[in-house]
Amino acid sequence: QKEVEQNSGPLSVPEGAIASLNCTYSDRGSQSFFWYRQYSGKSPELIMSIYSNGDKEDGRFTAQLNKASQYVSLLIRDSQPSDSATYLCAVSPGGSYIPTFGRGTSLIVHP
Amino acid sequence: NAGVTQTPKFQVLKTGQSMTLQCAQDMNHNSMYWYRQDPGMGLRLIYYSASEGTTDKGEVPNGYNVSRLNKREFSLRLESAAPSQTSVYFCASSEADATGNGYTFGSGTRLTVV
Repeated sequence: QKEVEQNSGPLSVPEGAIASLNCTYSDRGSQSFFWYRQYSGKSPELIMSIYSNGDKEDGRFTAQLNKASQYVSLLIRDSQPSDSATYLCAVSPGGSYIPTFGRGTSLIVHP
Repeated sequence: NAGVTQTPKFQVLKTGQSMTLQCAQDMNHNSMYWYRQDPGMGLRLIYYSASEGTTDKGEVPNGYNVSRLNKREFSLRLESAAPSQTSVYFCASSEADATGNGYTFGSGTRLTVV
């Protein structure tokens, strides 16, 4: 059973702070890693994908991948109340392009 | 606007009734998927279609059937609805290759079975 684990939260951070969201996975052969944002009552929206060890930056978002330790994280700099949402981690195991989703971490950014 | 369109957005069924959820994408993606999302359970894959003409079971296929009508459309059918199928259903599509690509999701169907 391929597992993707996330702390359900909620993670509460003040406006302007860095929010750090973490995800661990069980399949050491995993190749593709994704972060989705899901606002309450809405569908998930892809915000980041990462395939190689290291950091990948896109605006205020940075995805970090460490395959040796089997974790992927998402950093949100200068957090805004509009970032308040549930963040889903998804990992494609080795040999499959279909990802396993974590249960998500709820992020609350308070003014 | 380009994307994935799902219908209906809301539906209430009585136990034993049948219905079909419709999904269409206009991004020329090869792969399409149906997920259900329940509180505390995350997204679970019901069925997927890697390409036109193929369908495969996911994690929770029991009680559902699918049809890949053409490259654009992928429908999900509940033949005899049960209260356990009360959920939010999402259709998604992607251009799948060896490295994997992220999904584009539809807006979802909120289904209640009474």
